[in-house]
Amino acid sequence: EAGVAQSPRYKIIEKRQSVAFWCNPISGHATLYWYQQILGQGPKLLIQFQNNGVVDDSQLPKDRFSAERLKGVDSTLKIQPAKLEDSAVYLCASSLDGARAFFGQGTRLTVV
Amino acid sequence: GDSVTQMEGPVTLSEEAFLTINCTYTATGYPSLFWYVQYPGEGLQLLLKATKADDKGSNKGFEATYRKETTSFHLEKGSVQVSDSAVYFCALSDQAGTALIFGKGTTLSVSS
Repeated sequence: EAGVAQSPRYKIIEKRQSVAFWCNPISGHATLYWYQQILGQGPKLLIQFQNNGVVDDSQLPKDRFSAERLKGVDSTLKIQPAKLEDSAVYLCASSLDGARAFFGQGTRLTVV
Repeated sequence: GDSVTQMEGPVTLSEEAFLTINCTYTATGYPSLFWYVQYPGEGLQLLLKATKADDKGSNKGFEATYRKETTSFHLEKGSVQVSDSAVYFCALSDQAGTALIFGKGTTLSVSS
């Protein structure tokens, strides 16, 4: 079974630039999550989708972050404009039934 | 709100030593509890879980028991191996389908 795919694996941008991350969940998984993991901390939820609807985006900084999940499959997370404090690993996860989440390898973003 | 607290690392052990990583939680309801592991260069993987009080999760020689009276879910292994070197995250989900809330992670380093 293919796992959760994320790209790119690494990204370096300057502050105030924009960046986008892509996630392809496990086939058939209705729930998709984006987490932010800052160095030395645990992952923190940014947004949760159920199919193509948003379940929870209460911790998403909506002035600069946006996410979409078209057709209830792939998802993109965008940051515009980036700040230094956005440097982190961005993790995508998916779940079939909500009982277990499967994580991708993440995208490591460095903002300089 | 709900939260997870786990012991600070790094934890450094010799091969075949006994491992305990403490985890306590705060939650208003009856959460499910998880341990995730992140090996170097890999994504987060579910190690074990427990969904109700007194349940014991186990996998790969690791165990953790859901203790509601002490709001704890400590991870234990009787004899660690070099290959167990990784970062371990304790997490909770307050109901099926909701996003995981993670602790900060504990780095385990095992030497031969």
